[in-house]
Amino acid sequence: EIVLTQSPDFQSVTPKEKVTITCRASQSIGSRLHWYQQKPDQSPKLLIKYASQSISGVPSRFSGSGSGTDFTLTINSLEAEDAATYYCHQSSGFQYTFGQGTKLEIK
Amino acid sequence: EVQLVESGGGLVQPGRSLRLSCAASGFTFDDYAMHWVRQAPGKGLEWVSGITWNSDTIGYADSVKGRFTISRDNAKNSLYLQMNSLRAEDTALYYCAKGTGDYGDPTDYWGQGTLVTVSS
Repeated sequence: EIVLTQSPDFQSVTPKEKVTITCRASQSIGSRLHWYQQKPDQSPKLLIKYASQSISGVPSRFSGSGSGTDFTLTINSLEAEDAATYYCHQSSGFQYTFGQGTKLEIK
Repeated sequence: EVQLVESGGGLVQPGRSLRLSCAASGFTFDDYAMHWVRQAPGKGLEWVSGITWNSDTIGYADSVKGRFTISRDNAKNSLYLQMNSLRAEDTALYYCAKGTGDYGDPTDYWGQGTLVTVSS
């Protein structure tokens, strides 16, 4: 089973700040890495697929990069509505897995 | 509009069984892989199982392998999860999720979840 490790677990940030969340896979997964946002009491929402592909309706301040084992989610000019927990997720092989999540708090 | 409605959750004793269902609408069900994902109270997301459109490829998390069985009925636009030998650590909100395509693609739509509580 592929393990995904996110960093940091928690981050407190101010509006308009740039945020970077990293995700490291225990083995190479190519570009089969996706990012989700989950707000309290809501279902997760797909933000980025295949490491860097944008999703229709998702604000352009969200972007992704990486391949192999190291991936990054970047949020440019953070807004208050971005307070949420962010998860990376891999779909390589028969077993999918999620990272442990990164909780973003807006100051 | 894509809709996924889970049902079948509830309180069950350890060692017993439960069957979850997911009713899908708003898309061509048999064009997509489907998945179950769970979230224990206050915890992160855990992928549980996935199935291709024609059921020829199925995957399970190590934590449920041998106890849970995923299946689908394309004629009824429904996804199922048979859960046997339930344990306290299976307590979670169980989400049904639609794939964006085939097995190996991410999920793009999720239901609201059905709560399973395993306790004596």
